[in-house]
Amino acid sequence: TQLLEQSPQFLSIQEGENLTVYCNSSSVFSSLQWYRQEPGEGPVLLVTVVTGGEVKKLKRLTFQFGDARKDSSLHITAAQPGDTGLYLCAARMDSSYKLIFGSGTRLLVRP
Amino acid sequence: NAGVTQTPKFQVLKTGQSMTLQCAQDMNHEYMSWYRQDPGMGLRLIHYSVGAGITDQGEVPNGYNVSRSTTEDFPLRLLSAAPSQTSVYFCASRSQGGIGTEAFFGQGTRLTVV
Repeated sequence: TQLLEQSPQFLSIQEGENLTVYCNSSSVFSSLQWYRQEPGEGPVLLVTVVTGGEVKKLKRLTFQFGDARKDSSLHITAAQPGDTGLYLCAARMDSSYKLIFGSGTRLLVRP
Repeated sequence: NAGVTQTPKFQVLKTGQSMTLQCAQDMNHEYMSWYRQDPGMGLRLIHYSVGAGITDQGEVPNGYNVSRSTTEDFPLRLLSAAPSQTSVYFCASRSQGGIGTEAFFGQGTRLTVV
């Protein structure tokens, strides 16, 4: 059983469309991160959120942390082919050193 | 900047063989971890370490051993390889400061057990 559930698992959209990816758990997180991974590479950090209700923007990407710190979303506006990749959420539970990853959302943006 | 270096990049083992996956980081990070990545499963934590001489189990530790004799190195040992251990293995390191420190990953080791 995955502690962090991501949805959808796979998303194929046309360039210019908007999309939202979700990361959910029944546990409370002390922090949550979003990573992007390209083929043959390790994941690379996009953002970290630590406060319930926090919203962060990174160009066309908007990240939101749920008020109860149990869920998060990643919204991409006007997706581009360069956004193609595997998006992973990762979280630390309170007082834990372990960084646990979700199952990932594979995004394909078609030109 | 080398960051996190994993060797080898590719490996084929026969069932029952043992081997060690190497991981080294040059950022003086306290925390190091090993993950495996299978299709549709994201990254699953195998073992982690919070400093030299200290290791602990993650979500899927069976069949793997680790040790941390120095801050820089965190090798992962497969004791008796099984086809179920066919996967891509990633090593990661991060600093101790704060609750949201960035994890830096190596490029991965693609392991096939036949």
